[in-house]
Amino acid sequence: AQSVTQPDIHITVSEGASLELRCNYSYGATPYLFWYVQSPGQGLQLLLKYFSGDTLVQGIKGFEAEFKRSQSSFNLRKPSVHWSDAAEYFCAVGRTDSWGKLQFGAGTQVVVTP
Amino acid sequence: EPEVTQTPSHQVTQMGQEVILRCVPISNHLYFYWYRQILGQKVEFLVSFYNNEISEKSEIFDDQFSVERPDGSNFTLKIRSTKLEDSAMYFCASSTGLAVIGSEQFFGPGTRLTVL
Repeated sequence: AQSVTQPDIHITVSEGASLELRCNYSYGATPYLFWYVQSPGQGLQLLLKYFSGDTLVQGIKGFEAEFKRSQSSFNLRKPSVHWSDAAEYFCAVGRTDSWGKLQFGAGTQVVVTP
Repeated sequence: EPEVTQTPSHQVTQMGQEVILRCVPISNHLYFYWYRQILGQKVEFLVSFYNNEISEKSEIFDDQFSVERPDGSNFTLKIRSTKLEDSAMYFCASSTGLAVIGSEQFFGPGTRLTVL
């Protein structure tokens, strides 16, 4: 069965430090992969997406993610976090045989300290 | 910038009552979705809707649930007889096309449903 795993429930990072959020998926074919961010009281905002082509994807707010087929991973990175990056981050998978259904991971809560 | 809006932001209801959650998708979007997130759990897909009919639904979306696009702007989720386990944050989303062709789903801020 298809699944999305975010191993880290909670990450604390200092402002200015680098950030990496992990995402692993289980799916028979190449999935479509997404990272969303949710700030308190806000909806889910798309940071970036991978469909095909270059496995290093650039997104908004200085985020990037790398698709590694051999590891079934799509990890999100940011070289230098800002206090405004404190939020919950969700990895999601879309299927090629679906009418748009996204399957989400459990989310990673990011706390940024001064 | 266009956005998906949802009303109300918080709904409290008694078990067994009917609730209608409302969404206004982005105006030129053609595909509409409902997701929910029970506190502490994953965001789960409920249903997708296109061309005035359900295109896909999950196991969660049983006979107690229905969706409707009553006019050109609103998209509603109705729960006929709420249960305690329906308490969750419900997200509406919309897109111009399917994810398979690269379309992004835009999410609303959610409606928190509390069933007492």
